[in-house]
Amino acid sequence: KQEVTQIPAALSVPEGENLVLNCSFTDSAIYNLQWFRQDPGKGLTSLLLIQSSQREQTSGRLNASLDKSSGRSTLYIAASQPGDSATYLCAVPRGYNTDKLIFGTGTRLQVFP
Amino acid sequence: DAGVTQSPTHLIKTRGQQVTLRCSPKSGHDTVSWYQQALGQGPQFIFQYYEEEERQRGNFPDRFSGHQYPNYSSELNVNALLLGDSALYLCASSFSGTNTGELFFGEGSRLTVL
Repeated sequence: KQEVTQIPAALSVPEGENLVLNCSFTDSAIYNLQWFRQDPGKGLTSLLLIQSSQREQTSGRLNASLDKSSGRSTLYIAASQPGDSATYLCAVPRGYNTDKLIFGTGTRLQVFP
Repeated sequence: DAGVTQSPTHLIKTRGQQVTLRCSPKSGHDTVSWYQQALGQGPQFIFQYYEEEERQRGNFPDRFSGHQYPNYSSELNVNALLLGDSALYLCASSFSGTNTGELFFGEGSRLTVL
């Protein structure tokens, strides 16, 4: 049974720091891995999607890596800003149905000025 | 390009009542999935609709049902509401003709059951 875990559960940092958020999964046979951002009480915004054949994806100040063999993904946020404050969720598909995602419980990030 | 839209954004019901939530997928998408997110938890998959049929279902009772229309929009119905049904209900859409597997979510409908 696939399980997704995110560490840390919460993080509070001063503006400008480079951050690392971790996601681990128990079954390495994943089709892809997706990182999302969620503001309080809001929906999910897709940040990065990494296919199983890829090692990393980048978008602006965000970089996500994937190591299937160790069951880990890392989201790196460079030069954090207060606007980055949100909950970050990672998710993997259950089997080959990429609409049936299994989510971690998220990392709640607060960046203060 | 309109993203995934959901309505209503907030609603309050009492135990035993029924509720219908609505979703319009992102333009060009033909598959809709529904998720339930309890406070402080990650979203949980409820079911997926494609070609107006339920294709996959998560671990949710039959009180949860859905529908997809020919224009790909979808409804989530919950009967005999329980206090534990209070959650954020998220709709997600995708296009079956792509192999990227990227899923796009709406802003959600916040349901409170009293």
